[in-house]
Amino acid sequence: NAGVTQTPKFRILKIGQSMTLQCAQDMNHNYMYWYRQDPGMGLKLIYYSVGAGITDKGEVPNGYNVSRSTTEDFPLRLELAAPSQTSVYFCASSWTESNSPLHFGNGTRLTVT
Amino acid sequence: KNEVEQSPQNLTAQEGEFITINCSYSVGISALHWLQQHPGGGIVSLFMLSSGKKKHGRLIATINIQEKHSSLHITASHPRDSAVYICAVRSRIFTGNQFYFGTGTSLTVIP
Repeated sequence: NAGVTQTPKFRILKIGQSMTLQCAQDMNHNYMYWYRQDPGMGLKLIYYSVGAGITDKGEVPNGYNVSRSTTEDFPLRLELAAPSQTSVYFCASSWTESNSPLHFGNGTRLTVT
Repeated sequence: KNEVEQSPQNLTAQEGEFITINCSYSVGISALHWLQQHPGGGIVSLFMLSSGKKKHGRLIATINIQEKHSSLHITASHPRDSAVYICAVRSRIFTGNQFYFGTGTSLTVIP
């Protein structure tokens, strides 16, 4: 099993550009999450999904969109990149909503200039 | 106010030392997770616990639910233990923000 796979690893965007961060998991997990990690801060939840076709906002959803057309994939879309979106992004998945380990991808380091 | 507080923020130890990282939380939880993040790398789950103690190799995690406190211990520390250790709690109430994360403890083990 590959676990949770995130692409790309690094990306530099200009202000106003758009991009999609890809996330795929091969563990048949229902729950998937997108977090951002900023220096000195704990991970913040952007969006999450409890299964294919179901997504909901987390703590910091503004400027992002997600979709979950399959169990495996949970892409994160940035439509109009802003410098405030410079961060490290982590995708994660878990088997259930309660008491199962979180599995993280390796992260995407995004810089918006 | 952060729901999860970790101490210390930074820790430097000599190889072989016994290390303790502390985590206090203020919300009702169903489970507490300890995560490890290596520089430039991803995040790995070390432990998930809701009571008592768990051990994996040289790592030991304990939790006291009444005191809302957990500790991560590393025995016989090694330079390869150098990483950021993150405490995360899963809220007992499904609020959408299911996890609260600490800001991490950066550990450096010197040979």
